[in-house]
Amino acid sequence: AQSVTQPDIHITVSEGASLELRCNYSYGATPYLFWYVQSPGQGLQLLLKYFSGDTLVQGIKGFEAEFKRSQSSFNLRKPSVHWSDAAEYFCAVLTGRRALTFGSGTRLQVQP
Amino acid sequence: NAGVTQTPKFQVLKTGQSMTLQCAQDMNHEYMSWYRQDPGMGLRLIHYSVGAGITDQGEVPNGYNVSRSTTEDFPLRLLSAAPSQTSVYFCASSPRSSGRAGDTQYFGPGTRLTVL
Repeated sequence: AQSVTQPDIHITVSEGASLELRCNYSYGATPYLFWYVQSPGQGLQLLLKYFSGDTLVQGIKGFEAEFKRSQSSFNLRKPSVHWSDAAEYFCAVLTGRRALTFGSGTRLQVQP
Repeated sequence: NAGVTQTPKFQVLKTGQSMTLQCAQDMNHEYMSWYRQDPGMGLRLIHYSVGAGITDQGEVPNGYNVSRSTTEDFPLRLLSAAPSQTSVYFCASSPRSSGRAGDTQYFGPGTRLTVL
């Protein structure tokens, strides 16, 4: 069965520092992978997605993610974090049901 | 386009009451799904539909019913609410596409449900 693991429940970084959020997946076929962001009390916004091709994917708000098949990972990165990036981040894989299996999320706190 | 809309935004129920969470989309998407979000557990799939008249169970279907009589609407019914169903509920839709390249899910704003 498919699964997504986000090993970091909570991460704190200083504003201007770089960020990497980890995501590992388990899926039998070629995975279709997503990162979503959720601000407090809000819905989910798609940051980026990977379907095929270039393993480095660019998204909105300056985020990027790299798909590494050998490590079953799809880590999210940003070179310089802004205070407005404080939110919860979810990694997800598309299943054969045309629905998503989500990780448990990583809450990002940004220190001034 | 309004996208994916959900009503109500907030709801408080007593144990044993029934209610329907509404979800509608105006993008003519074939696929629709319901998720619940609980702290520390991410979002979990309740039910999904691949088209009008076709529904199936997801990861956590117990206590919920769905139907899909039109492409636009996908209501979620709680037959007899329980405190364990206190959660935030999200509806999502995605278009049919050749292969899976187009399968981006569009989420509604959510319904926050409290069962006392």
